[in-house]
Amino acid sequence: EVQLVESGGGVVQPGGSLRLSCAASGFTFDDYAMHWVRQAPGKGLEWVSLISGDGGSTYYADSVKGRFTISRDNSKNSLYLQMNSLRTEDTALYYCAKQSFSSRGMDVWGQGTTVTVSS
Amino acid sequence: SYELTQPPSVSVSPGQTARITCSGDALPKQYAYWYQQKPGQAPVLVIYKDSERPSGIPERFSGSSSGTTVTLTISGVQAEDEADYYCQSADSSGTWEVFGGGTKLTVL
Repeated sequence: EVQLVESGGGVVQPGGSLRLSCAASGFTFDDYAMHWVRQAPGKGLEWVSLISGDGGSTYYADSVKGRFTISRDNSKNSLYLQMNSLRTEDTALYYCAKQSFSSRGMDVWGQGTTVTVSS
Repeated sequence: SYELTQPPSVSVSPGQTARITCSGDALPKQYAYWYQQKPGQAPVLVIYKDSERPSGIPERFSGSSSGTTVTLTISGVQAEDEADYYCQSADSSGTWEVFGGGTKLTVL
């Protein structure tokens, strides 16, 4: 079964840091690009970041560029999101999602991990 | 920054056809994708590459594209289709992904 399981969320003060993880199983992890997508409470989906299958290419939304870093360890079938200089507006449910092999669509999603930035 | 525009809400009666639009300047160049999200659940891809349907998605879900607008059509709407629907595409350079603001589909 193809599965993504996020972890690492929690409560952090503004200016703090947090590292999210996403454990993948059931597919050949390094064949697929991976995304992070977030959803603030009661709001819509917001794309955060994308990393290529080999980890050589990364892309970020303007709202997180320079503060967040996406990475992956293909030997561990794991995706990461290092979040620094956190702001209250980063409070959200963070999903990792697998990109489809033949398109930019995200065909598998985890259940998400919650990040709360509050003093 | 690039934006995709969706209507906030659409309402239909069971058995009718629901149409949800998504507009963006780069849509003639970039494919669109549609996701269904029910309360407390992760999104599910229901349409990819404007009009393709993933395996396991009911045939009543279809997609189309015309110029700067793409449309998700749900024929013969059922109560279980009540959900939020999001379109997704890329900016004209293909660098960034963008989601529309979402449309809440209410089945009356």
